[in-house]
Amino acid sequence: AQSVTQLGSHVSVSEGALVLLRCNYSSSVPPYLFWYVQYPNQGLQLLLKYTSAATLVKGINGFEAEFKKSETSFHLTKPSAHMSDAAEYFCAVNPLKAAGNKLTFGGGTRVLVKP
Amino acid sequence: DAMVIQNPRYQVTQFGKPVTLSCSQTLNHNVMYWYQQKSSQAPKLLFHYYDKDFNNEADTPDNFQSRRPNTSFCFLDIRSPGLGDAAMYLCATSRDPPRGETQYFGPGTRLLVL
Repeated sequence: AQSVTQLGSHVSVSEGALVLLRCNYSSSVPPYLFWYVQYPNQGLQLLLKYTSAATLVKGINGFEAEFKKSETSFHLTKPSAHMSDAAEYFCAVNPLKAAGNKLTFGGGTRVLVKP
Repeated sequence: DAMVIQNPRYQVTQFGKPVTLSCSQTLNHNVMYWYQQKSSQAPKLLFHYYDKDFNNEADTPDNFQSRRPNTSFCFLDIRSPGLGDAAMYLCATSRDPPRGETQYFGPGTRLLVL
């Protein structure tokens, strides 16, 4: 079964510093890839997704992610962290052979932003 | 605004007492999903409806059931909640096909089992 691995369950960054969240998938065929953000006691909100168009995907709130087939990665970045970026981030994959739009989520990365 | 609505946001039930969580959507999406999310974990898919076709995940306990009376509404029934069922329950919707469609999530219902 296709899986998603997020390196680092917790990341701490200073306000204004680069945010880098790592996501690797296991598949010989590139799947569709998503990044979602979850604020405390809320549902998940889509940040961005890759569906085999441009490899550099721009999302909301200044986030972007780059699909690298050779590295089977889809890392999420933001040049300058803001206090409001403190949340949990999930990478997810929609395997090409999965029925419908079922998602497999990574374990999540909680981001703490220090003043 | 089109959205996914979940009620209530917080639900307290007693051990073994049946409970129903509800989800509605104004997106007119034909696919609806129910996820269970325990503390500090990723959401886990319980089942999904493609129109009225029900699709259960292989490891979803029999204690969990669902109903979808129409396109807009979907219910999650927990027949005999145990302490281990305390979690956030998330409803999501998407169009299908084509593949790669975004899933839109509701705010979730946090279930507490006493």
